[in-house]
Amino acid sequence: DAKTTQPNSMESNEEEPVHLPCNHSTISGTDYIHWYRQLPSQGPEYVIHGLTSNVNNRMASLAIAEDRKSSTLILHRATLRDAAVYYCIVIQGAQKLVFGQGTRLTINP
Amino acid sequence: ETGVTQSPTHLIKTRGQQVTLRCSSQSGHNTVSWYQQALGQGPQFIFQYYREEENGRGNFPPRFSGLQFPNYSSELNVNALELDDSALYLCASSLVGFQETQYFGPGTRLLVL
Repeated sequence: DAKTTQPNSMESNEEEPVHLPCNHSTISGTDYIHWYRQLPSQGPEYVIHGLTSNVNNRMASLAIAEDRKSSTLILHRATLRDAAVYYCIVIQGAQKLVFGQGTRLTINP
Repeated sequence: ETGVTQSPTHLIKTRGQQVTLRCSSQSGHNTVSWYQQALGQGPQFIFQYYREEENGRGNFPPRFSGLQFPNYSSELNVNALELDDSALYLCASSLVGFQETQYFGPGTRLLVL
């Protein structure tokens, strides 16, 4: 399994952009990078995924380094509802999502 | 479109007992995966079912078993419960397999005394 490394916690202010980093130095060429988040007392929810190019959706943007050894999840204007644990996962086409410890994001009003 | 539902929401059992947790997948999804999440940890993959067959298993002992039914709903059974089995059990449904987005239910919180 490709290992991912994320900071344990990050803090930001409401309505400011948030950049959540993830290192995945052992990623292979066909591995996808997925981000999920888990709000308090809920199951994880899908945020975004990508392979090589940067990706945007209504929730966030995903910036993938050219060598694909790292990526950054970008929340453009954080709200209090974005406070959650964010998980970066590299999917190798196997039958499982391998979650790490994730980054606990705190948003200050 | 209904999302993934799980029952019960909470459960208390004693060591040595058996438990069955249930999951209804999202409409149209044919794949169900189960995860165990201990307090303060990320979820850990238990196994996946695709079209009623086990389609991958994590590092869990055989006393963790499962079923998937023709309507793609699923059960997780745990025999001979141990104190360390206390956790949030999450079910996720998807199409085909892991390259597709997984949709998680709210989980069942199991406490083993």
